[in-house]
Formats: sequence, structure tokens, C-alpha cells
Amino acid sequence: DSGVTQTPKHLITATGQRVTLRCSPRSGDLSVYWYQQSLDQGLQFLIQYYNGEERAKGNILERFSAQQFPDLHSELNLSSLELGDSALYFCASSVKGRADTGELFFGEGSRLTVL
Amino acid sequence: AQSVTQLGSHVSVSEGALVLLRCNYSSSVPPYLFWYVQYPNQGLQLLLKYTSAATLVKGINGFEAEFKKSETSFHLTKPSAHMSDAAEYFCAVSLNYGGSQGNLIFGKGTKLSVKP
Repeated sequence: DSGVTQTPKHLITATGQRVTLRCSPRSGDLSVYWYQQSLDQGLQFLIQYYNGEERAKGNILERFSAQQFPDLHSELNLSSLELGDSALYFCASSVKGRADTGELFFGEGSRLTVL
Repeated sequence: AQSVTQLGSHVSVSEGALVLLRCNYSSSVPPYLFWYVQYPNQGLQLLLKYTSAATLVKGINGFEAEFKKSETSFHLTKPSAHMSDAAEYFCAVSLNYGGSQGNLIFGKGTKLSVKP
């Protein structure tokens, strides 16, 4: 158990809909990262928050947005969903503001299926 | 641009045999390099990392990796495979420029199967 909690574990929805994925980081970790894992693209970095502020952006679509709340949990909002958004979405957390200075702790992921 | 290439999307070994998973990187400056492992239905966890200290890095579960600058490689090895090593392994390099500095670029992964 990494200490990172993601909900829901599975989500099935239709094209055009909007979903919210939630992540609670490990106790004491200030950084939250969102990744998308798909068969064709592999593991893609989407966005990072550090202590409530956006720290870095990766390959995140404009239809996607995220935020980190004062209690440090984070939500990833996916809207106008397309078939290609079907993937496993991981949240990870770390103590520091950089992923390379320590260790990333990953949740078990939220599997999104868009029909 | 920095990148990571993992040679072989699937590797199969017999229990007790040597495990060798290949990773090559491209980076204009000395990189930080990582191996993460993903067991079925779980998130990734750190196996080991290279941060410019010793070139031979030892990790958890008997794995080790050697940083070879001349070959731009960071291959993962384990002398004797165990059934519990069956998982997907990801090599990653840290970004050292731009707004995402410090974040990781992951390879596409190598799925390791271990035969009894």
C-alpha cells in the first residue's frame, strides 16, 4: 500500500460526458502528479501541483483540468470525453516539488472507459 | 529532447535465469535515471535510481542497474529470476529543462514473464 488513494477505481461513461477523478496523497506529501497510461501512448505526464499551486504541465488536453485543495487532495476533471480518453489515470505524490529528487508514490489508478 | 527507449516490450525468462531489461536514454546533460515496477492491478513503485553517484545502483528485490555514459544505457539486471518478479518495468529519465524540469519521462515499459 503506497498510501495514495484514488477514487473511483473504475468508471464507465459515454462520449461527451464529464468525470472527476479524485486523489488523496500520502500524509505529508505536498506534490501531486497526474499521469495517463494507455496502450499506445504509454505513461504520459499530465500535470503537477505543489502545495496548492500548479507546478508543471505536461501533455494535458485543454478539455482536462485539475486542482489541488487546501487539504492537499487533488481532482482531475475530464470533460467532453472522447473514445480516445479511455485509459488508466494515475495519481502520484512526493514530499518535494520535484519528482526526481525523491520517490514518486503511485495510487492504484482510476480506469476510465468511454463508450 | 530527452527520451527513453526500452528495447523489447515483452521479455520471458525461466525461474532462476538472469533477468536483463534494456533501457537507453537521450539527454544532453548527465541525467537522473530511474526504474519503476508495476505489479498487476497496482501503481508503480520505485525499484532504484541513479543520481550521478555510483554508476552501479542497487535496488530492492535483488535488482541492480548500471549507468554507462558511453553507451547511454541504464540496463536493469537480476542474477536469478523469481516468479514474483513477473511485472511491467518502466525506465524513466528526469527532465532537466523547461517548465516541467524535475519531472519524469517514462519509457513504454517492458513486461517480464517468468516461467516455472
